[in-house]
Amino acid sequence: GEDVEQSLFLSVREGDSSVINCTYTDSSSTYLYWYKQEPGAGLQLLTYIFSNMDMKQDQRLTVLLNKKDKHLSLRIADTQTGDSAIYFCAESPPRDQLIWGAGTKLIIKP
Amino acid sequence: DAGVIQSPRHEVTEMGQEVTLRCKPISGHNSLFWYRQTMMRGLELLIYFNNNVPIDDSGMPEDRFSAKMPNASFSTLKIQPSEPRDSAVYFCASSQKGSPLHFGNGTRLTVT
Repeated sequence: GEDVEQSLFLSVREGDSSVINCTYTDSSSTYLYWYKQEPGAGLQLLTYIFSNMDMKQDQRLTVLLNKKDKHLSLRIADTQTGDSAIYFCAESPPRDQLIWGAGTKLIIKP
Repeated sequence: DAGVIQSPRHEVTEMGQEVTLRCKPISGHNSLFWYRQTMMRGLELLIYFNNNVPIDDSGMPEDRFSAKMPNASFSTLKIQPSEPRDSAVYFCASSQKGSPLHFGNGTRLTVT
C-alpha cells in the first residue's frame, strides 16, 4: 500500500549536520516535499525536488533523491536551535493527493 | 500576502455542541484542503475542493462532519454534534494547480 516512512526522532548536537531520511512508495511521484512544523504552527514548505533531479541545494539545506531506492533525504548543515521542529516528507503521485510521512522530530542538544 | 487564515486559533467546547472552523485561502489559489492532525493518526486529509467544488470527501470521518466552500475566498468545516474524539488540530491549506500546499496555523479543537 501507499506509505511514506520516516524515523520519529533525530537528535543532533548544535553545529553538527542533521540528516533526515524518508522512503516513499510511488515511483511515478512528480514532486517530493519537505515541510517544517514548529510548535503551535502550521506546516511550512521548506523545500521540494522534482523527480527528475537527484540533488537540490538551498543555503544550509541539501535534498538528495535516490529514485531507484525511493529514498529522499534532507540534510541541514550547521544545525541551530531554531531548526528544532517536526519535519514532514510528502510525495505527490500524479493523479492523487499528497501522501505524508508521520514526521521526524528534530531535537537539538547544546 | 497574509497566507492562509484560519479562525478560531483555539476552540474549547462541550460534547454535543456544534463547532464551526473557518478558513480563508490565499487569493488566487483554486484548491483548498482540510486536514486533521493528531498524535495517534498523524496528518489526515479530510476533504478537498477544486474551484469551490468538493472533489474527494472520503477522509471525512462520519456524517457529523461537513464542509462547504461557498466562494473562492471562504470555507467552513462543521462538526455537529462534536465528540471528545474529535479533539485535534485542524489545518486548512490552499494551492494553485501544480504548486505546493500552503498551510494555515490551524485550529486547536478541544471537546470535553
